[in-house]
Amino acid sequence: GENVEQHPSTLSVQEGDSAVIKCTYSDSASNYFPWYKQELGKRPQLIIDIRSNVGEKKDQRIAVTLNKTAKHFSLHITETQPEDSAVYFCAASSSWTGANNLFFGTGTRLTVIP
Amino acid sequence: DTGVSQDPRHKITKRGQNVTFRCDPISEHNRLYWYRQTLGQGPEFLTYFQNEAQLEKSRLLSDRFSAERPKGSFSTLEIQRTEQGDSAMYLCASVESGIEETQYFGPGTRLLVL
Repeated sequence: GENVEQHPSTLSVQEGDSAVIKCTYSDSASNYFPWYKQELGKRPQLIIDIRSNVGEKKDQRIAVTLNKTAKHFSLHITETQPEDSAVYFCAASSSWTGANNLFFGTGTRLTVIP
Repeated sequence: DTGVSQDPRHKITKRGQNVTFRCDPISEHNRLYWYRQTLGQGPEFLTYFQNEAQLEKSRLLSDRFSAERPKGSFSTLEIQRTEQGDSAMYLCASVESGIEETQYFGPGTRLLVL
């Protein structure tokens, strides 16, 4: 099955700086890569996703890049704010299998220091 | 609130007892997933329904676990003879097939087995 690795496990940045979280995946059939933000005690919420026919996607301060050849994808947050502090999970899935279930990374705890 | 809902939000039980959780997906979402999340980890896939049919089960889903979605709407997850290792957050997610692959998560049920 799919194996998703995520780094770093913790990340502290000064407010206004950029944050980058990286993930790798193992299954070349994976073609959908969402990123979820989870605040303490709350549900995971989708912040951005990318499909394998696109190399980059941007939504305001958040961008995701995908390198299919290297099987890695990254989340970039610019101009970080204290409210960006949370745990971020990358995930991968393949629409070629019936379930399309998500395989998650182990998470990155981002702390934005005011 | 038209999002995914789960009940109860918290459950404390003694080892050996049975517990049942409920998930109400977003209306008209025909795919429903159950995941388990332990502390410091990403969610792990348990099982998946397409309408009322349970189409895939993870190896994590031992024979003490059973899930149903009798009318293709809400779903229940039952754990029989609970063990301390079952302590986790149980998350439900739903998807509207054929449109986007976005999985919308519920708030989860946090289970503590004493």
